[in-house]
Amino acid sequence: ETGVTQTPRHLVMGMTNKKSLKCEQHLGHNAMYWYKQSAKKPLELMFVYSLEERVENNSVPSRFSPECPNSSHLFLHLHTLQPEDSALYLCASSQTLGEPNYGYTFGSGTRLTVV
Amino acid sequence: GQNIDQPTEMTATEGAIVQINCTYQTSGFNGLFWYQQHAGEAPTFLSYNVLDGLEEKGRFSSFLSRSKGYSYLLLKELQMKDSASYLCAVLDSNYQLIWGAGTKLIIKP
Repeated sequence: ETGVTQTPRHLVMGMTNKKSLKCEQHLGHNAMYWYKQSAKKPLELMFVYSLEERVENNSVPSRFSPECPNSSHLFLHLHTLQPEDSALYLCASSQTLGEPNYGYTFGSGTRLTVV
Repeated sequence: GQNIDQPTEMTATEGAIVQINCTYQTSGFNGLFWYQQHAGEAPTFLSYNVLDGLEEKGRFSSFLSRSKGYSYLLLKELQMKDSASYLCAVLDSNYQLIWGAGTKLIIKP
């Protein structure tokens, strides 16, 4: 496989559930990102990993917990979410941190609905 | 604060030309990106401008004026498949991407 793959594509969870989103890239990239995309709002950067080390956490609530076990995989663990957390969660990767020229490669996202 | 402005929605006719504008105010500048995102799909890279001027790639062109904090994406010979959201993003001095909210482009036959 090539590109960035995210699973699941759709997720409905209750506020007391625990679930995880998975992202996988086969591009040999060294940086990976989690973004939240809400309707009519700019993409919100949540977490950044470079060479498996977290380098950015943009004041994200602790109910979101990232994990990067190796340079190809990124997880977002979810627990006790709120309805306002319903959004499209996008994973992206880039050759290096903040890579110009070629930008980021995005996955198709996980559409999360919290009920 | 940092800000990227682009129109929320635009409508154009198949076969025509449309220009999507983007203005930005950021802490430093290391380039501007345009991405295309079809509904329910991943954003895909269209262009990257770091120097002033026009870059052409087939039916799509992107223009940058750093002194004016302004860019536009020009789409020619519009096709129905060009109906999508177009995202403008600027790489700031810390090499962080600052995103606009996107412009939804609707193409009518």
